[in-house]
Amino acid sequence: DIQMTQSPSSVSASVGDRVTITCRASQGISSWLAWYQQKPGKAPKLLIYAASSLQSGVPSRFSGSGSGTDFTLTISSLQPEDFATYYCQQANSFLPLTFGGGTKVEIK
Amino acid sequence: EVQLVESGGGLVKPGGSLRLSCAASGFTFSSYSMNWVRQAPGKGLEWVSSISSSSSYIYYADSVKGRFTISRDNAKNSLYLQMNSLRAEDTAVYYCARDRIVVPAATEGFDYWGQGTLVTVSS
Repeated sequence: DIQMTQSPSSVSASVGDRVTITCRASQGISSWLAWYQQKPGKAPKLLIYAASSLQSGVPSRFSGSGSGTDFTLTISSLQPEDFATYYCQQANSFLPLTFGGGTKVEIK
Repeated sequence: EVQLVESGGGLVKPGGSLRLSCAASGFTFSSYSMNWVRQAPGKGLEWVSSISSSSSYIYYADSVKGRFTISRDNAKNSLYLQMNSLRAEDTAVYYCARDRIVVPAATEGFDYWGQGTLVTVSS
């Protein structure tokens, strides 16, 4: 199985801050990585696919980078609506598809 | 507008069975792979199962293999998850989700999700 390790598990930040979340795969997954945002009581929302492609309708302050085993999600200027939990997901192999443990972005 | 609406959740005793349904609308259901993802209370996301557009490719997480069965009815625009031999650790909100791409046996992530249905396994 491909393990996905996210860090940090939580981060406190202020509106306007730049926030970076990392995701490490236990083996190379090329660019087969997606990022999601989830707010309490809501379904996840796809932000980034193929490691760096912005899903339609997602603000450009969100960006993704990386390939192989190391990936990054960056929020360039944190907005009030961005306080949520973020998950990475490897899309390289169905056996199994795996999510990272999540990163909670909290208000400082 | 793409819509996915899950139903069928509820309270069931350990060892019992439940069938979840996901009604899809607003897109050509028969073209897309579909997925089930669950989230235990206060926990992260866990992929459960995937099925390709024509049901040719089916995958399961090890935690549910042999107990859960994914299926779909393209004529009814519906996705199903038959859950047998349920355990306390299966307690979760179950989401159905659409694959972002229409390539069988490949995924780039899930672009549309339902609101989820809660399954509680308890005596």
